Amino acid sequence: QSALTQPASVSGSPGQSITISCTGTSSDVGSYDLVSWYQQHPGKAPRLILYEVSKRPSGVSNRFSGSKSGNTASLTISRLQAEDEADYTCCSYASGDTLVLFGGGTKLTVL
Amino acid sequence: QMQLEGSGPGLVRPSETLSLTCSVSSGSVSSSSYYWAWVRQPPGKGLEWIGNMYYRGNTYYNPSLKSRVTMSVDTSNNQFSLKLSSVTGADIGIYYCARLVIGYWFDLWGQGTLVTVSS
Repeated sequence: QSALTQPASVSGSPGQSITISCTGTSSDVGSYDLVSWYQQHPGKAPRLILYEVSKRPSGVSNRFSGSKSGNTASLTISRLQAEDEADYTCCSYASGDTLVLFGGGTKLTVL
Repeated sequence: QMQLEGSGPGLVRPSETLSLTCSVSSGSVSSSSYYWAWVRQPPGKGLEWIGNMYYRGNTYYNPSLKSRVTMSVDTSNNQFSLKLSSVTGADIGIYYCARLVIGYWFDLWGQGTLVTVSS
């Protein structure tokens, strides 16, 4: 099974919204609502920001939202702030031997 | 609040075995709600799932690493461990221990341990 596909980079200005896509297959993203998203600042461990496609853990801003259509999940960050500049990685449960698939990560630049 | 702290040698010789431990504090590794997992990140690259295990011993490994990976849980010391044998330069990276909710999302991460492979 291959890694999930994400754009390498996205950018946006403060106050704007951006969307990061995460494309898998019918064996992972398309079959399970078990997509999660992680934010990672340089030199830091990943931090869970969304799980089960669109649910936010306690303490995560409601500016982060998620959705899924077919084999593609999406993370939207609204009202961009400078502190949102980080790498974002999606993850999905998968059927078969590789139970967990990560995306390659997307670098968000806040202009 | 549970915390995870990874530890282990930062330098491993080629062909030898990488051994890392993750200590669990303010909570129990014997919880029925979680798996215990390892994830790695090569320099400048994305995250890779290594595997996860349940406290009762059930293990699930990435097929690409399965022949070299062993995970274990030590309930008496409230920690879990990773061994990766026959390491090469492709195994260089940051190794994270993490808590994996049964629904398959990682809700708690250790600080990461940088592992270098060199003679």
